Amino acid sequence: DAGVIQSPRHEVTEMGQEVTLRCKPISGHDYLFWYRQTMMRGLELLIYFNNNVPIDDSGMPEDRFSAKMPNASFSTLKIQPSEPRDSAVYFCASSLHGAGTGNTIYFGEGSWLTVV
Amino acid sequence: AQKVTQAQTEISVVEKEDVTLDCVYETRDTTYYLFWYKQPPSGELVFLIRRNSFDEQNEISGRYSWNFQKSTSSFNFTITASQVVDSAVYFCALSEARLGGTASKLTFGTGTRLQVTL
Repeated sequence: DAGVIQSPRHEVTEMGQEVTLRCKPISGHDYLFWYRQTMMRGLELLIYFNNNVPIDDSGMPEDRFSAKMPNASFSTLKIQPSEPRDSAVYFCASSLHGAGTGNTIYFGEGSWLTVV
Repeated sequence: AQKVTQAQTEISVVEKEDVTLDCVYETRDTTYYLFWYKQPPSGELVFLIRRNSFDEQNEISGRYSWNFQKSTSSFNFTITASQVVDSAVYFCALSEARLGGTASKLTFGTGTRLQVTL
């Protein structure tokens, strides 16, 4: 079975440019998560969706960040304009019914973003 | 509020040594789930184990074993006869146990970097 698929795997962009990260969750999963990993802050949850609806976006750093889930098989995380401090690994993850039911959250391979 | 503490930032061992990674958690819930993930140098996050708060039996999977003790709020991970391929960052994580809401997400510890050398 295909896991969570993210693209691009690596992105280098210049400050001020728009960055779009993409995610395809595992088929049938109803929860989708976006996490960010940095050396300073570790793994932090940015936003998550349930049945394509954003449930909690309190982790989104600022208005430059936005996330959408137009359908059950696709989500995007957009940064506009990007800044060097956005450099991080962005993970997309999905699960069935969420971790609170004991289900596992499965992670993609991550998108490594560098903003210069 | 939930919290997961992995006090060991980095551990170095020589191959074939046993090593234990500590995880201490805080939660006000009586029912919750604990997880371990592995992040090898390639960067992906790999699920290792899930444990619910009602099941305090230790678990063994090959060279991996987990010791869950509610009395000390700990969920420690032991690798027996470590190998170079075990070199990775290991994360402990916690979720509340209920459907929906904030229980759906994982709260991660800061991770322990394990370096296994020859």
